[in-house]
Amino acid sequence: EVQLVESGGDLVQPGGSLRLSCAASGFTFSNYEMNWVRQAPGKGLDWLSYINSDGSTTYYADSVKGRFTISRDNAKNSLYLQMNSLSAEDTAIYYCARDERAGGQRLPFLDYWGQGSLVTVSS
Amino acid sequence: DIQMTQSPSSLSASVGDRVTITCRASQSISSYLNWYQQKPGKAPKLLIYAASSLQSGVPSRFSGSGSGTDFTLTISSLQPEDLATYYCQQSHSIPRTFGLGTKLEIK
Repeated sequence: EVQLVESGGDLVQPGGSLRLSCAASGFTFSNYEMNWVRQAPGKGLDWLSYINSDGSTTYYADSVKGRFTISRDNAKNSLYLQMNSLSAEDTAIYYCARDERAGGQRLPFLDYWGQGSLVTVSS
Repeated sequence: DIQMTQSPSSLSASVGDRVTITCRASQSISSYLNWYQQKPGKAPKLLIYAASSLQSGVPSRFSGSGSGTDFTLTISSLQPEDLATYYCQQSHSIPRTFGLGTKLEIK
């Protein structure tokens, strides 16, 4: 059974840093690309970042570029999100999600999601 | 960035009704369109990928159609457990933007 379990969410002061982790099991983690998506309280889904299977390619939303860093450790079956210079606007539930592809065009979609980890930025 | 516009933002329907949610992309995205369901307090769940492919385990009352800029998610016969917010997402280009969601309520 595919499982993604986020951890590391906490209350942090504005300007602070936090690192989220996502532990993967039930599939060959090193074969899959991964993503982070967040959801502010009462709001919609907000795609944040992507990393390819060996970690050599990453992408970010403009809202977090330069502040957040996605990484992975395939030996530990783990995905990470290092978050710096946090502000109140970063308060959200953070989800990791597995990237799958379909068809000859390899159309991407997010087929498995973790349960989320809450980050609260407040003084 | 590609903008995804969903409509309606909310709707109320009765059990057994046919429900349609639409999603429009600000530019052509071919079939790079996915639909997710999020029940209250839960993580999102994939329903439809590549515009019209039903994810394994998802009931057949859910279907998706469209290509280019206009897409629809249809629930053929609404069930009580379909109470949720539904999101479309484009995966044509970075950033992989979501629509703002459609909150579905059961009358």
